Amino acid sequence: DADVTQTPRNRITKTGKRIMLECSQTKGHDRMYWYRQDPGLGLRLIYYSFDVKDINKGEISDGYSVSRQAQAKFSLSLESAIPNQTALYFCATSDGTDSNQPQHFGDGTRLSIL
Amino acid sequence: AQKVTQAQTEISVVEKEDVTLDCVYETRDTTYYLFWYKQPPSGELVFLIRRNSFDEQNEISGRYSWNFQKSTSSFNFTITASQVVDSAVYFCALSEPHSSASKIIFGSGTRLSIRP
Repeated sequence: DADVTQTPRNRITKTGKRIMLECSQTKGHDRMYWYRQDPGLGLRLIYYSFDVKDINKGEISDGYSVSRQAQAKFSLSLESAIPNQTALYFCATSDGTDSNQPQHFGDGTRLSIL
Repeated sequence: AQKVTQAQTEISVVEKEDVTLDCVYETRDTTYYLFWYKQPPSGELVFLIRRNSFDEQNEISGRYSWNFQKSTSSFNFTITASQVVDSAVYFCALSEPHSSASKIIFGSGTRLSIRP
């Protein structure tokens, strides 16, 4: 089983719909992150969390919200999806005992907003 | 402010050639970490290496090697005797332990294609 699991892997939906992307991890890490990847732009941080109920904005948080109700789960929501949110979304975790441990990524969720 | 530049958007070489992927970074901190990640066509992100700013020793792992030079703020990645399986997008990244978050800033990536 994967250490960091994202569901769904692919999603196509319409403008204005509410969408939730789920991330769960079995690594026991405290820190979790959501990124989006767009061609030519690399990965950009949306939100991150250092512990349960700890929520911090990243560089592109507008239009998104997150929830960290348990250590192992970190969900990302698009309240009213718009086409420019079409992207590949990654969840990642890292060990909270060392602020510069490498991040471990899920396999990504490909989201298309029509 | 942090910044990571990967000026090479795409590189294409023939199998068995050596290839170097460039990474230049900007930071005001004296303590920082640099990373390389690989994203194969299947889409997942795979961690390759971490290097801290106090360790300028070059690293070699099989056909992969990394050249860290603080004087030029570069952390370049070389693949020797490239293989088709090396085809992927490669990301360089930077983190600063004293920044407000343990977040990593990624470069825009270099797409490497190895032709048989």
